[in-house]
Amino acid sequence: DTEVTQTPKHLVMGMTNKKSLKCEQHMGHRAMYWYKQKAKKPPELMFVYSYEKLSINESVPSRFSPECPNSSLLNLHLHALQPEDSALYLCASSQVGAKPGNTIYFGEGSWLTVV
Amino acid sequence: KQEVTQIPAALSVPEGENLVLNCSFTDSAIYNLQWFRQDPGKGLTSLLLIQSSQREQTSGRLNASLDKSSGRSTLYIAASQPGDSATYLCAVENTGGFKTIFGAGTRLFVKA
Repeated sequence: DTEVTQTPKHLVMGMTNKKSLKCEQHMGHRAMYWYKQKAKKPPELMFVYSYEKLSINESVPSRFSPECPNSSLLNLHLHALQPEDSALYLCASSQVGAKPGNTIYFGEGSWLTVV
Repeated sequence: KQEVTQIPAALSVPEGENLVLNCSFTDSAIYNLQWFRQDPGKGLTSLLLIQSSQREQTSGRLNASLDKSSGRSTLYIAASQPGDSATYLCAVENTGGFKTIFGAGTRLFVKA
């Protein structure tokens, strides 16, 4: 099983709403990632968790709040977003420590529209 | 700061043609380079990963090369098919861990 599952596939939310994006993998990977991708642009790294601890935060605004409740799950909590936050949010996972050959596996993404 | 550039930005070829996509990066201190495929509105699918100590990797009709010293990689697609139409992204993982930097991609269209 080389699958990263993201839910929901599509989300429309108002600027005052609170919502969450969810990601799950069962490959035993201990590194999990959130990326943001705008149309026709490359994915941009937001957060990295390693062994369930936040390892990298790429200066992401606090209206995005990541959470890694266990080694298989990664959440991204959304609150008071702006229309410019509308994008495809991609979750990914990889092994840790088996560098330099760590293939990164991506989910299908969650399309977020902020109205 | 690592920068990844892909040329061309877009490419249209007739079916059956062999083609080469190019990727360059500015910092040679990398763990690996990975090529991905992305279909419109979808996630990324890993095609090939080349470790920093390797020169090339092959999978089916795909061959990727890496010249770390010059900061270049190529993805060679043999006998292209309409189903190959997608955006191809290359990405490098810097030493120091976890930060994978993507190029802007090459949008490929293979005409039947």
